[in-house]
Amino acid sequence: DQQVKQNSPSLSVQEGRISILNCDYTNSMFDYFLWYKKYPAEGPTFLISISSIKDKNEDGRFTVFLNKSAKHLSLHIVPSQPGDSAVYFCAAPDRTGANNLFFGTGTRLTVIP
Amino acid sequence: EPEVTQTPSHQVTQMGQEVILRCVPISNHLYFYWYRQILGQKVEFLVSFYNNEISEKSEIFDDQFSVERPDGSNFTLKIRSTKLEDSAMYFCASSARSSLNTGELFFGEGSRLTVL
Repeated sequence: DQQVKQNSPSLSVQEGRISILNCDYTNSMFDYFLWYKKYPAEGPTFLISISSIKDKNEDGRFTVFLNKSAKHLSLHIVPSQPGDSAVYFCAAPDRTGANNLFFGTGTRLTVIP
Repeated sequence: EPEVTQTPSHQVTQMGQEVILRCVPISNHLYFYWYRQILGQKVEFLVSFYNNEISEKSEIFDDQFSVERPDGSNFTLKIRSTKLEDSAMYFCASSARSSLNTGELFFGEGSRLTVL
C-alpha cells in the first residue's frame, strides 16, 4: 500500500530559488502530516509539520501547504541553500495519536550553488 | 544535543544467521521504535515499544523479529534467521510522548544490514 506518495524522486534547484516538494496521500483519515529531512549516513530529522485543521504552516524558510480536497501537500523552501540538499520525506501517523508513521518514498533535493 | 545511537553501523551476515541490532534511545524518552528502509524504497514502520512491551507492530514484524530492552538503556532488534529480503537500513527512533502529532520522533543514524 502507498498511502503517502512522493512522485518525484529528485529535484534540482539553483541556490536562492524556491524548492517545491510535493506529496499526495490517499487516506482521508490522516489528520497530521510531517516532513523529515535525511542526509546521507544519518537518520531522518523532523523538519516541519501541519495539522489538517490548517492549510499552511510556516517556519523560517520552510512552509508547508495542505490541500485537503486534493489530498495534497507541498513543502516550499525559500530561498534554497546548498545545505538543503538532502532527501525529503513526507509522513503521516496512521491515525490520530498513533505512534507509527507512514512515509513517502522521498524526494532527493539538490541545490546547485 | 541528545541523540539516538545505533550499533553496528553496518553488518554483513549469512542467510539464516541471527542478527542483533542495538540502539541507545535518548535517556528521558519512553517510547521506542524500529523502522527500516530497503534500498530505493520508503521508510517502513516495524514496531513500537513502551513500558517493556510491544505497543504496535506492522505486518513486516513477523515471528522472526523480536525486540527487548534488556538493561533499561539499550533497545535491541533481533532477527532470528535472516533472509535475503531482510537486507535494509534499520532505524531506531525514540520519543518522549506517545503522540507523533508534534513531530517529536528522533531517529538514529541507522544500521545497514546486508544478508548474503
